[in-house]
Amino acid sequence: GAVVSQHPSRVICKSGTSVKIECRSLDFQATTMFWYRQFPKQSLMLMATSNEGSKATYEQGVEKDKFLINHASLTLSTLTVTSAHPEDSSFYICSARDPTGTGNTIYFGEGSWLTVV
Amino acid sequence: AQKITQTQPGMFVQEKEAVTLDCTYDTSDPSYGLFWYKQPSSGEMIFLIYQGSYDQQNATEGRYSLNFQKARKSANLVISASQLGDSAMYFCAMRGFNFGNEKLTFGTGTRLTIIP
Repeated sequence: GAVVSQHPSRVICKSGTSVKIECRSLDFQATTMFWYRQFPKQSLMLMATSNEGSKATYEQGVEKDKFLINHASLTLSTLTVTSAHPEDSSFYICSARDPTGTGNTIYFGEGSWLTVV
Repeated sequence: AQKITQTQPGMFVQEKEAVTLDCTYDTSDPSYGLFWYKQPSSGEMIFLIYQGSYDQQNATEGRYSLNFQKARKSANLVISASQLGDSAMYFCAMRGFNFGNEKLTFGTGTRLTIIP
């Protein structure tokens, strides 16, 4: 079964509203989670590293005020797309590493399809 | 900085044949890990296989094997006896093991289509 769960899997929101996506680690505590964005037929682009109890580390070119990341607990990170616009429509997917495992224990959530209309 | 290169945007392979998906990488990290993921049209990222840079043997997982050639900085994925369900996007990725470098860097992917 899934060890990283992402919700919602699909969401449609109106332009100008905000939408929150949750990423939960189910079987382990994740001090670090990662948020990726994927445009159609393209690769995954890292948006930010979510750090439990501290501010997220954003990749160059990613707007911090638009993509709010909160990692309030060791099992939950949230990505909030604020004042969404149609160009924010994309596939968003999170990942987390099980710190108790070996170097390959990186798990992905199921991903979230965001459509802004 | 880390970089992953996948030079095959698309491949068509006859069912039951073996297929090799190419991946080359570049990194300054002395220790790193290489991953292959499968992404079907549903979007989920399915972990296939992992190779550590210091692993002596090439990784194998069922029908998947990783042809790791460290000197050439290549980590090709080999799928034996391909099946129709293997049709998907395949991404090669790597991560370093230095602090602060735990994120995965992905290649551009290869779209594999298995022909009946």
